[in-house]
Amino acid sequence: GQNIDQPTEMTATEGAIVQINCTYQTSGFNGLFWYQQHAGEAPTFLSYNVLDGLEEKGRFSSFLSRSKGYSYLLLKELQMKDSASYLCAVLDSNYQLIWGAGTKLIIKP
Amino acid sequence: ETGVTQTPRHLVMGMTNKKSLKCEQHLGHNAMYWYKQSAKKPLELMFVYNFKEQTENNSVPSRFSPECPNSSHLFLHLHTLQPEDSALYLCASSQGEGDLGTQYFGPGTRLLVL
Repeated sequence: GQNIDQPTEMTATEGAIVQINCTYQTSGFNGLFWYQQHAGEAPTFLSYNVLDGLEEKGRFSSFLSRSKGYSYLLLKELQMKDSASYLCAVLDSNYQLIWGAGTKLIIKP
Repeated sequence: ETGVTQTPRHLVMGMTNKKSLKCEQHLGHNAMYWYKQSAKKPLELMFVYNFKEQTENNSVPSRFSPECPNSSHLFLHLHTLQPEDSALYLCASSQGEGDLGTQYFGPGTRLLVL
């Protein structure tokens, strides 16, 4: 079966750095995506990795290791508005997104 | 209007009712999706339309019936639902061929089945 694992919840402090991990086992791989979802709102696209390595976009970076089936999302200089759920998803061999259950990130002042 | 819109935003229905959810995208995309989101569970893909053709139906019960009259509009017709169908129903769109993973979501319809 296909499976994506990420921690259910994480807590971090405003101004700090947090890393959200994601491991996956899917039938095929055509890219890994991170989405952000604030409570009561729709998911919004954050980042995309298809090759190994680090992709940086402002305060957010995403890393991929295809051989290990592993990715992480790194958030720097945390702000209160970063409190949200972060969803990891893999585009499988059928070009469908397989989703993790999401990591709820709580930012404390 | 920009992006992806969904109506209604909230819906309460009895198990014998028939209702429809509407989604409209203003992004010029060619692929549209229906997802079900339940608390603490991964997003469940229900249906995919690519260039108005249904390409996926992930073992969804027949009480859910999609309709895609054109590449900008998507409907989900509901009838004789069960209480376990209560969830957030999200519509999304993407460019289509070559970019299926970058999806743009509507705000969702919060459905409660009594």
